[in-house]
Amino acid sequence: SQQGEEDPQALSIQEGENATMNCSYKTSINNLQWYRQNSGRGLVHLILIRSNEREKHSGRLRVTLDTSKKSSSLLITASRAADTASYFCATDEGGNKLTFGTGTQLKVEL
Amino acid sequence: ETGVTQTPRHLVMGMTNKKSLKCEQHLGHNAMYWYKQSAKKPLELMFVYNFKEQTENNSVPSRFSPECPNSSHLFLHLHTLQPEDSALYLCASSQVGGLPYNEQFFGPGTRLTVL
Repeated sequence: SQQGEEDPQALSIQEGENATMNCSYKTSINNLQWYRQNSGRGLVHLILIRSNEREKHSGRLRVTLDTSKKSSSLLITASRAADTASYFCATDEGGNKLTFGTGTQLKVEL
Repeated sequence: ETGVTQTPRHLVMGMTNKKSLKCEQHLGHNAMYWYKQSAKKPLELMFVYNFKEQTENNSVPSRFSPECPNSSHLFLHLHTLQPEDSALYLCASSQVGGLPYNEQFFGPGTRLTVL
């Protein structure tokens, strides 16, 4: 199975609610990154958390990392319809390679 | 032009055709990547180039042939493809050895359909 696995695969919420996505991985990492992809487009980098960090914020995004459990979560607060997209975690194990998960499809309804 | 651009955005080809995908990055990065994204599968890394040198070939079939003439341009030459090669092909670039820690910048992708 792949390095990064997101959970849930799909999430549907109402505008204004919070959305939480989880990512699990298997090996040691240098950092973990979250990306967003709008339908049929390229990925956009959202936030990076290093292996020695536990929590990071960027605007409405909050990322946590638990290296003992090999897991990360992405929280989007006060969601908007424009947040509708697929979200991927990617692990950096060194050697300038990223390993991506299967993604969480988020739908934010008005 | 800024960021990472890819052409064409859409491509339909027969199994006997030869075509090329082009990627250009305007970010001054020193590493470039090709990824394949198929439905319901994780993003698959195909090739990595550091300073124009190929450093990774992820067991990609020889019908895909990459070319990196300089650190700003990356091509993917396609020949005798199969229908299962239909996918979104994404190019990315990053600055290796600097900050922020291998954040990758992606192009919009080429949607490839093989008939």
